[in-house]
Amino acid sequence: QVQLVQSGAEVKKPGASVKVSCKASGYTFTTYYMHWVRQAPGQGLEWMGIIKPSGGSTSYAQKFQGRVTMTRDTSTNTVYLELSSLRSEDTAVYYCARDLLIGGNYYYGMDVWGQGTTVTVSS
Amino acid sequence: DIQLTQSPSFLSASVGDRVTITCRASQGISSYLAWYQQKPGKAPKLLIYAASTLQSGVPSRFSGSGSGTEFTLTISSLQPEDFATYYCQQLKSYPFTFGPGTKVDIK
Repeated sequence: QVQLVQSGAEVKKPGASVKVSCKASGYTFTTYYMHWVRQAPGQGLEWMGIIKPSGGSTSYAQKFQGRVTMTRDTSTNTVYLELSSLRSEDTAVYYCARDLLIGGNYYYGMDVWGQGTTVTVSS
Repeated sequence: DIQLTQSPSFLSASVGDRVTITCRASQGISSYLAWYQQKPGKAPKLLIYAASTLQSGVPSRFSGSGSGTEFTLTISSLQPEDFATYYCQQLKSYPFTFGPGTKVDIK
């Protein structure tokens, strides 16, 4: 079955970096774009960016430009999110989510989600 | 960036009620709108895409409508498993912003 499995919880100090992985299975990895979304405790959803696994191209929300890097490894069907210069406001659950592909067109929504990775930033 | 607002932010309803949630965009987004349901501690679940198309496996009591700047999500007869928070998201242009959410609680 189609599944996204994310890496485990992380605790980081301010100023450090974190790298979260998301391993896809059950579908052709390079066909579907992947989003990253985060949710701070008690808050709403925040879109961070998107990666196109076939060529590795990315688009990031302006808010995260310069601090975020999304990459992929097609040999292991895994996408990665790296966030640097962490601050307490980055404490959140980070989700990867597959873009819904309809009739060869993208950007209809996110139909498959990972289980989430909790990142805690604390001194 | 395109801003989304949702109303109400919170609603209290009973099983069997008809519930409507509104999402407004700061500029026209055609039908590039999705709706999600999220329960505590869980990942969001896609309900509706392209403003009005029901995602596979989603019960038919959920429906979506609208285009341009105003959209609605309707639950025709609220069920116990529908108590959750609902988010709209625009996919017209980057960044693909979400609305602030509407929490549906038990009256």
